[in-house]
Amino acid sequence: KQEVTQIPAALSVPEGENLVLNCSFTDSAIYNLQWFRQDPGKGLTSLLLIQSSQREQTSGRLNASLDKSSGRSTLYIAASQPGDSATYLCAASGSARQLTFGSGTQLTVLP
Amino acid sequence: ETGVTQTPRHLVMGMTNKKSLKCEQHLGHNAMYWYKQSAKKPLELMFVYSLEERVENNSVPSRFSPECPNSSHLFLHLHTLQPEDSALYLCASSQGDREGKNIQYFGAGTRLSVL
Repeated sequence: KQEVTQIPAALSVPEGENLVLNCSFTDSAIYNLQWFRQDPGKGLTSLLLIQSSQREQTSGRLNASLDKSSGRSTLYIAASQPGDSATYLCAASGSARQLTFGSGTQLTVLP
Repeated sequence: ETGVTQTPRHLVMGMTNKKSLKCEQHLGHNAMYWYKQSAKKPLELMFVYSLEERVENNSVPSRFSPECPNSSHLFLHLHTLQPEDSALYLCASSQGDREGKNIQYFGAGTRLSVL
């Protein structure tokens, strides 16, 4: 059974700092790895999807990497802003439709 | 807006009530999902419908009953719930393909409180 772990559970950084969020998964047989953002009381917004054949994906200030052999993914946020404050979730897809989520990292960017 | 709309946004019900959660997607997707998000726990997949047929049922108690009348609508019928069922219920949709580009789009959720 796939298990996804995210470290740290919470992170507080000053504005402008670059930061890395970590995600690990136990079963490397995945279709893809996705990163989501969740604002308080809201649903999830997809940020990046890395297919199993890819090593990284970039969108603006966000860069996600995937190392299947070690069961790890990282989300790098450059030049953080207060508007980046949210909970970031990673999810591993073990089939075309099944997602297993981590518990998330709650990020606070201080002005 | 993600193109996935959930109603109601908030629901308070007693343990003997019967209520339904509704989800509608305007994205032309062929799969829809129900997730449960409890405090301090990861999102749990409850049900998956693909082409209006249920393809996943992750050991969900029978007091939760899904219905997918067409590819755009998904319901979750609730009856005789327990206080531990209080959670955020999220609906998602996707257009899966063979390359695994199964990006799921989520609604804002229904915050359910069972008294």
